[in-house]
Amino acid sequence: QVQLVQSGAEVKKPGTSVKVSCKASGYTFTGSGISWVRQAPGQGLEWMGWISAYNGNTNYAQKLQDRVTMTTDTSTSTAYMELRSLRSDDTAVYYCARKLGILAFDIWGQGTVVTVSS
Amino acid sequence: DIQMTQSPSTLSASVGDRVTITCRAGQSIGNWLAWYQQKTGKAPNLLIYKASTLQSGVPSRFSGSGSGTEFTLTISSLQPDDFATYYCQEYSSYSGTFGQGTKVEIK
Repeated sequence: QVQLVQSGAEVKKPGTSVKVSCKASGYTFTGSGISWVRQAPGQGLEWMGWISAYNGNTNYAQKLQDRVTMTTDTSTSTAYMELRSLRSDDTAVYYCARKLGILAFDIWGQGTVVTVSS
Repeated sequence: DIQMTQSPSTLSASVGDRVTITCRAGQSIGNWLAWYQQKTGKAPNLLIYKASTLQSGVPSRFSGSGSGTEFTLTISSLQPDDFATYYCQEYSSYSGTFGQGTKVEIK
């Protein structure tokens, strides 16, 4: 079936980086884009950015564009999100989601908990 | 980034009630508007895309309307499974800003 499976929970120190993976299966990976969304504890959803799995084009949220990099590996149908210079307010559940054509985000990963703490 | 504003933030309702949630965009987004339902500890679930198209498998009691800057999500007869948080999202121009969410609680 169509699914996105994310990597496991991470605990990081402030100032370091985290890289979360999102492996796609059940559909043609290069036929869609992948967005990343995060949710801090008790808060709403925050869109972080988007990458085309077809050509690698990206669009990042303004507030994160200096610290985030999104990439894909088409040989393994995997998308990656790296966030640098981590701060305590980056503690959140990070989700990947598929964006296919005119559909919005129709398939979501299970979420990856990232905790930033000294 | 486009600003998205939802109202109300919290809504108390009873089973069987008709419920309406409003979403306003900071600039015209055509009909590039989606609605999601999220339950505690779970990923969001797509309900409606392109402002009014019901995602496959979503009950017909959910409907969406609007274009430009003003949009609504309506639940025609609230069911016990519908108590959750709802988010609107603009997804024009390869972006995806969300509204702040509306929590639908049991009255």
